[in-house]
Amino acid sequence: EAGVAQSPRYKIIEKRQSVAFWCNPISGHATLYWYQQILGQGPKLLIQFQNNGVVDDSQLPKDRFSAERLKGVDSTLKIQPAKLEDSAVYLCASKRLDTEAFFGQGTRLTVV
Amino acid sequence: AQTVTQSQPEMSVQEAETVTLSCTYDTSESDYYLFWYKQPPSRQMILVIRQEAYKQQNATENRFSVNFQKAAKSFSLKISDSQLGDAAMYFCAYRGYTNAGKSTFGDGTTLTVKP
Repeated sequence: EAGVAQSPRYKIIEKRQSVAFWCNPISGHATLYWYQQILGQGPKLLIQFQNNGVVDDSQLPKDRFSAERLKGVDSTLKIQPAKLEDSAVYLCASKRLDTEAFFGQGTRLTVV
Repeated sequence: AQTVTQSQPEMSVQEAETVTLSCTYDTSESDYYLFWYKQPPSRQMILVIRQEAYKQQNATENRFSVNFQKAAKSFSLKISDSQLGDAAMYFCAYRGYTNAGKSTFGDGTTLTVKP
């Protein structure tokens, strides 16, 4: 079974620029999560999808972050405009009803 | 809101020895799951072990075992016969009982294994 795929692995941008991250979950996994992991901290949930509907986006900074999951499969997380404090690893995870979440390898974002 | 606290930012252990990582949590729920994840430098979070709160028996997975104290809200991880490949960041996590519930993570413990 293929794992959760994320791209790119690394991204460096200047502040105020825009950036997008892509996630392809494991086939058949209805639930998809985006987490933000700042250096030295544990992952923090940004948004949770069930199929293509949002279940929880209470910690998503909606003035600059947006996410979508078209057709209930792939998902894109966007930051516009980026701030220095957005430097972090962005982890995508997916699960189905009878499993725990499987994580991708993340995208390391550096904002300079 | 649930919180998870890992009070040991760093731990080290000699190869083949045993080490215990600590975790405490706070919740008002009675049914939930607790997890330990391993995050190597590759950044991918790998599930090490899972404990269901309604089970009194402590979970075990090969060299990994937990000490779950529900009343004390404590959930420690014991790694026996430590190996060099065990070196990583370890995160304790909590998830409510509903299948779509989000996980809350601690800030991690960096484990170093000395040869």
